[in-house]
Amino acid sequence: AQSVSQHNHHVILSEAASLELGCNYSYGGTVNLFWYVQYPGQHLQLLLKYFSGDPLVKGIKGFEAEFIKSKFSFNLRKPSVQWSDTAEYFCAVHNNAGNMLTFGGGTRLMVKP
Amino acid sequence: DAGVTQSPTHLIKTRGQQVTLRCSPKSGHDTVSWYQQALGQGPQFIFQYYEEEERQRGNFPDRFSGHQFPNYSSELNVNALLLGDSALYLCASSLEGRWQYFGPGTRLTVT
Repeated sequence: AQSVSQHNHHVILSEAASLELGCNYSYGGTVNLFWYVQYPGQHLQLLLKYFSGDPLVKGIKGFEAEFIKSKFSFNLRKPSVQWSDTAEYFCAVHNNAGNMLTFGGGTRLMVKP
Repeated sequence: DAGVTQSPTHLIKTRGQQVTLRCSPKSGHDTVSWYQQALGQGPQFIFQYYEEEERQRGNFPDRFSGHQFPNYSSELNVNALLLGDSALYLCASSLEGRWQYFGPGTRLTVT
């Protein structure tokens, strides 16, 4: 069975600081990888996705993620965070053998102005 | 273009009761998935419907059942509610099972 681990449960940063959220998954086959964001009071939104090709993917709002197959990782990065990035971030995996998304436990990010 | 819609927004039920939650997929989408998100946790897959049939199921008991209608909308039914069923129930739609768009969820409280 596939699983996803997000190591940072809570992260507090000041505005303009750089962000990196860790995500590791366990699955031996081909996977599709996602980062979703849940802003306070809003629904889950797709931030970025990786299906194939360039392992460095760019998403909305200046976020990017790098797929490192040898490390089973898909870390999310942003060079300079803003107060509006305060949200909960979820990493998710979808394999081609099934149709379900498996989510990590989430990372709650607070950006101090 | 309306996104994924869910109803109701909030619901309070008593242990032992039954509940039905509803979802309308994003226009053009044919696949509906349901997830349960307990407080402080990531969403967990309940099941997915495609062509009016359950295509895949997560690790949830038979008390959780669903249905998909010809217009692709879907219902999630939970029987014999337990306190532990209190959660945010998310519906997600997709085309042919590709990346999923989520609705705002239904907050279910079981007392």
